[in-house]
Amino acid sequence: EPEVTQTPSHQVTQMGQEVILRCVPISNHLYFYWYRQILGQKVEFLVSFYNNEISEKSEIFDDQFSVERPDGSNFTLKIRSTKLEDSAMYFCASRGGGLTDTQYFGPGTRLTVL
Amino acid sequence: AQKVTQAQTEISVVEKEDVTLDCVYETRDTTYYLFWYKQPPSGELVFLIRRNSFDEQNEISGRYSWNFQKSTSSFNFTITASQVVDSAVYFCALSEASGGTSYGKLTFGQGTILTVHP
Repeated sequence: EPEVTQTPSHQVTQMGQEVILRCVPISNHLYFYWYRQILGQKVEFLVSFYNNEISEKSEIFDDQFSVERPDGSNFTLKIRSTKLEDSAMYFCASRGGGLTDTQYFGPGTRLTVL
Repeated sequence: AQKVTQAQTEISVVEKEDVTLDCVYETRDTTYYLFWYKQPPSGELVFLIRRNSFDEQNEISGRYSWNFQKSTSSFNFTITASQVVDSAVYFCALSEASGGTSYGKLTFGQGTILTVHP
């Protein structure tokens, strides 16, 4: 069964460093998402991406964040200068072409900022 | 704006008990989708069910059942004869379809931690 994959599973970085989180969505899906879950809290929407551009973003997704789909398979989230409060689990998700389609989530990347 | 409330922060039951997880939502859209996801201790988000706003039929899948009531804006989830493997955090989520331009972002509730004791 097709699945969303994410790498790395755990990333440790120093405050102020740039990190890139990688995702491979399910092939033939058209909509891509990043969500964040701070430890013990709810899952929060960051950004959606469709047709090679950001379609919607939350207030969390400030100028420190960017997303890219550099080729036909990868979908990346970059944090330019990490802060302590960026420590969280980051989930990638993808969805097929219709509104009735379900979002399927990757296993997540745990980001720890020291 | 869309909002999902899961008032139960934690529930603890003994194996074989039935348990119901509550979910109340708010939306101004007439077309929307409701979801339940399970997050086991390993951390991934596992899709359980999707319901659209036009389909109020209750659904049963094995030991799981869902009760969708538009009149009370609720989408509750019941596990019958709970098992230790059901221990997880359960999230209810909502996605709006705004005039056909929605990109489907999910708004999650705070989650309910379910612990099933042997």
